[in-house]
Amino acid sequence: QVVETGGGLVQPGGSLRLSCVAFEFTVSDNYMSWVRQAPGKGLEWVSIIYSGGTTYSADSVKGRFTLSRDISKNTLYLQMKSLRAEDTAVYYCVRSAMVQGIIIALDIWGPGTLVTVSS
Amino acid sequence: QSALTQPASVSGSPGQSITISCTGTSSDVGGYNYVSWYQQHPGKAPKLLIYDVSSRPSGVSNRFSGSKSANTASLTISGLQAEDEADYYCSSYRSSSTLGVFGTGTKVTIL
Repeated sequence: QVVETGGGLVQPGGSLRLSCVAFEFTVSDNYMSWVRQAPGKGLEWVSIIYSGGTTYSADSVKGRFTLSRDISKNTLYLQMKSLRAEDTAVYYCVRSAMVQGIIIALDIWGPGTLVTVSS
Repeated sequence: QSALTQPASVSGSPGQSITISCTGTSSDVGGYNYVSWYQQHPGKAPKLLIYDVSSRPSGVSNRFSGSKSANTASLTISGLQAEDEADYYCSSYRSSSTLGVFGTGTKVTIL
């Protein structure tokens, strides 16, 4: 399983760092994604980090959100800056199953952490 | 990037079968067998139901089945039960994107 922490209320333009700790599997051996869901809306892929460390992000967050991981803590991080009202959402940390570089399934989801961007 | 198209809502009576469609293009659903489906109950995280169009992870009921024809994938729920009332999302690989793409979501209501 995975558990996210770090959500909360932040003002527009502010920063926040989300954490995702994994249990029973190694974060650095897997492909890990962040998926978000705005209140009452659908799912949106935010970012992914490959086991080798390469990261990709959606255009909507590129340049503002950064993925990293701490192998010693088996933890994934999502550093978010220049936050906007439209970034308000529940953020899920998800283990991603991949085949030949293609994401085929999101098989382990955390309970999510709510980020609210508002003044 | 544009989402895959799903009906906003589908309903059925207990014991019946329903099918949820997920329509894309030849660059995603139609071009690859990498369609997955997720179930989300209110206030909960999504749960993987189907991957690779029609494969079920261990522990998922065989009342859930997936298929695909051309640019449209489908999720069929047979023997509807009250616990099946939830939101359902499809997802697919898209050739123009490293990240996958989700469907718009379908709310299933048990009558």
